[in-house]
Amino acid sequence: RKEVEQDPGPFNVPEGATVAFNCTYSNSASQSFFWYRQDCRKEPKLLMSVYSSGNEDGRFTAQLNRASQYISLLIRDSKLSDSATYLCAAQDNYGQNFVFGPGTRLSVLP
Amino acid sequence: NAGVTQTPKFRVLKTGQSMTLLCAQDMNHEYMYWYRQDPGMGLRLIHYSVGEGTTAKGEVPDGYNVSRLKKQNFLLGLESAAPSQTSVYFCASSYSPTGGLDDTGELFFGEGSRLTVL
Repeated sequence: RKEVEQDPGPFNVPEGATVAFNCTYSNSASQSFFWYRQDCRKEPKLLMSVYSSGNEDGRFTAQLNRASQYISLLIRDSKLSDSATYLCAAQDNYGQNFVFGPGTRLSVLP
Repeated sequence: NAGVTQTPKFRVLKTGQSMTLLCAQDMNHEYMYWYRQDPGMGLRLIHYSVGEGTTAKGEVPDGYNVSRLKKQNFLLGLESAAPSQTSVYFCASSYSPTGGLDDTGELFFGEGSRLTVL
């Protein structure tokens, strides 16, 4: 079983829709979690850190559920520019690295 | 502020050839990483370094070697390239993976190096 798993999608949604992604992790000792955004043929860039209390940044909300060992990303009022691959990352067993999921591809359609 | 710079950005090799990818960061970060990204596989860690003069194996280290002689540079070497090493390679750096008072633990990535082994 992979340490971090995501539904690869693609998720095809109309502009203005709300879309949610989940990411599950297997290391119950993981402390830090992140969502990264990766555009086609570009490097990943940090979208949001995921805190225990959850956090919100404009149209984006990230949540952490430690009991079920998953993190989520909610995007409200989707824009065409939100089309990208979203990678989740969890701190690994040794506390020195992050393990990435395979990414979820989102396409926002006009 | 250049951030993380990788060279070269593109390279085509023949099986058995050797090459070195260079990663340089100007953020005074302690931690540096080399990942490879393949379709459907996500980012997989090859090697990493927690400071100058240190290196450690990641998830997929076979066929690669690394060196961190200077804090700002992290080199990834392929001694005898194989077609299975065709991939996009990303270097990343962070102050520390768990973050501190002024640090989120964020990974900063280079633009990637596309390597094709024929």
